[in-house]
Amino acid sequence: EVQLVESGGGLVQTGGSLRLSCVASGFTVSSSYMSWVRQAPGKGLEWVSIIYSGNNTYYADSVKGRFTISRDNSKNTVYLQMKSLRAEDTAVYYCARDGAAEFHFDSWGQGTLVTVSS
Amino acid sequence: SYELTQTPSVSASAGQTASITCSGDKLGDKYVSWYQQRPGQSPVLVIHHDSKRPSGIPERFSGSNSVNTATLTISGTQAMDEADYYCQAWDSSTGVFGTGTKVIVL
Repeated sequence: EVQLVESGGGLVQTGGSLRLSCVASGFTVSSSYMSWVRQAPGKGLEWVSIIYSGNNTYYADSVKGRFTISRDNSKNTVYLQMKSLRAEDTAVYYCARDGAAEFHFDSWGQGTLVTVSS
Repeated sequence: SYELTQTPSVSASAGQTASITCSGDKLGDKYVSWYQQRPGQSPVLVIHHDSKRPSGIPERFSGSNSVNTATLTISGTQAMDEADYYCQAWDSSTGVFGTGTKVIVL
């Protein structure tokens, strides 16, 4: 069974840093496209970043230069390193899998809440 | 940047058809996916590649995409279909979600 479990969220001050983790089971992250998607309180979904099986990475303009997506194949885990956090980064962050490399998200984690406050 | 626009809310009586539209420039040239999100839950894929249903998704969910508009249709709407629905596409290796539509089942 495919499972994604996010962790690492919490309360952080404006300008601070946080690293989110997404532990995968039931498949290998190295052979999948893995994304982070966020949802601000009461708002819609916003795509954040993707890491392809070949290690290419892409980011939304809103986080480019501040967030970094990476993967540890030995731990079957995907990370999102977030720096220079702003109030508008406050959201639930979901890890999502594209298992067939067909550019749709077939599995999602339960999400982890990041709150950025001064 | 690329944008996908959805009607904020759609209402349908139980047993009737609900249609949700997603508009974007030359959207018909891209593949569109649709996600259902019930309150307090993570999103669930209901349609991919414009019109394909993942296993486990009821046949009452169908999709189409042409020119500038993609449509998700729920035939024979049930109370359990009340949720937020988001379209999604890719533009230059960047993911884009629609603004979301709340489906209200009367």
